[in-house]
Amino acid sequence: AQSVAQPEDQVNVAEGNPLTVKCTYSVSGNPYLFWYVQYPNRGLQFLLKYITGDNLVKGSYGFEAEFNKSQTSFHLKKPSALVSDSALYFCAVRGPYGNNRLAFGKGNQVVVIP
Amino acid sequence: DAGITQSPRHKVTETGTPVTLRCHQTENHRYMYWYRQDPGHGLRLIHYSYGVKDTDKGEVSDGYSVSRSKTEDFLLTLESATSSQTSVYFCAISGGTGTDPQGRSYEQYFGPGTRLTVT
Repeated sequence: AQSVAQPEDQVNVAEGNPLTVKCTYSVSGNPYLFWYVQYPNRGLQFLLKYITGDNLVKGSYGFEAEFNKSQTSFHLKKPSALVSDSALYFCAVRGPYGNNRLAFGKGNQVVVIP
Repeated sequence: DAGITQSPRHKVTETGTPVTLRCHQTENHRYMYWYRQDPGHGLRLIHYSYGVKDTDKGEVSDGYSVSRSKTEDFLLTLESATSSQTSVYFCAISGGTGTDPQGRSYEQYFGPGTRLTVT
């Protein structure tokens, strides 16, 4: 079964500094990988995905993620964090077979300090 | 929120009572999902549907049932609510596999959530 791990419960970063949120995955076959963001009292919003192609994927709000097959990682990055980026971030993986189910990590709380 | 609504948005109910949550989509997507979100657990899949009247269990399905009689509606029922079912419930939709080589149908889109408290 597919799974993801987000090793850090909380990431603190100063405004203007680079932001990285880590994710590693486990899946049979080629992975389909996703990042979502959740603001307080809201549903999850899709940020970006990796299905195939370039290892560096660009998404919404200036975020990007790097797929690394040898390290089974899909880290989310932003060159310069904003206070408004403070939110809960989820990594997810879909196996290549049927039913389009996603397995989500436990989430990372990102706090951007002014 | 990608044409997805959930009702009610908040509900307080007593232990032992039945509760039904509704998810409605206007996107005509094939797949629909119910998740619960709890601190320290992330999102856990309760049930999902891959078409009208086609449903299957997720990882935390005990105590829950679902029904999908129309493409646009997916109902989640707690037959006899317990305090352990206090949670925030999210519905999601997906176009499924499709034939798009860019995989534009694979991601899921989420509703605004229902906060359920069982006392």
